[in-house]
Amino acid sequence: EVQLVESGGGLVQPGRSLRLSCAVSGFRFDDYAMHWVRQVPGKGPEWVSGIDWNSDTVVYADSVKGRFTISRDNARNSLYLQMNSLKAEDTALYYCARDKGIGGVVIALFDSWGQGTLVTVSS
Amino acid sequence: EIVLTQSPDTLSLSPGERATLSCRARQTVTNNYLAWYQQKPGQAPRLLIYGAYTRAAGIPDRFSGSGSGTDFTLTISSLEPEDFAVYFCQQYGSSPPLTFGGGTKVEIK
Repeated sequence: EVQLVESGGGLVQPGRSLRLSCAVSGFRFDDYAMHWVRQVPGKGPEWVSGIDWNSDTVVYADSVKGRFTISRDNARNSLYLQMNSLKAEDTALYYCARDKGIGGVVIALFDSWGQGTLVTVSS
Repeated sequence: EIVLTQSPDTLSLSPGERATLSCRARQTVTNNYLAWYQQKPGQAPRLLIYGAYTRAAGIPDRFSGSGSGTDFTLTISSLEPEDFAVYFCQQYGSSPPLTFGGGTKVEIK
């Protein structure tokens, strides 16, 4: 069974940092690109960042470029999101999502999702 | 960035009825790379349709996708109780940035 489990969310002050993790199981992690997608309750999802199977290709939404860094550790079957200089508008539920693309390339189509970890940025 | 507009915002229907959801793009979606997701309260989105009309694994055939270019439709031929949820469209042909629509809620009438 495919499982993606996010962790690391919480309440943080504006300007501070937070690191999210996503532990995966049930599939060969290094066969797939992975992404972070966030969602404010009651709104549509917003794609944040993606990374291909071997970390050669990393892409970001303009809203987080220069502040967030996506990374992965294939040996640990884990995906990460380092979030710096956090803003109130970064408050959302953050999902880890698997890319459906063949060969681990980024096509940004999401066939499996975790349950999310909540990030609240507030003073 | 390709903006996706979904309509209606809310669809009030009874079980057994047909649901027709619309997703309109401001620009042509490259290769018709348009997907539909279903989201129930407290759950993550679930992939239903990709490439405009291809059902994802395990998705019942009462769900169908159609359209091309800038106009796309998700049809649920006969609503089951478990189909009442929010539905999002997403384009992935011109990414990054990929974009999602604002959603259509299908509620029980």
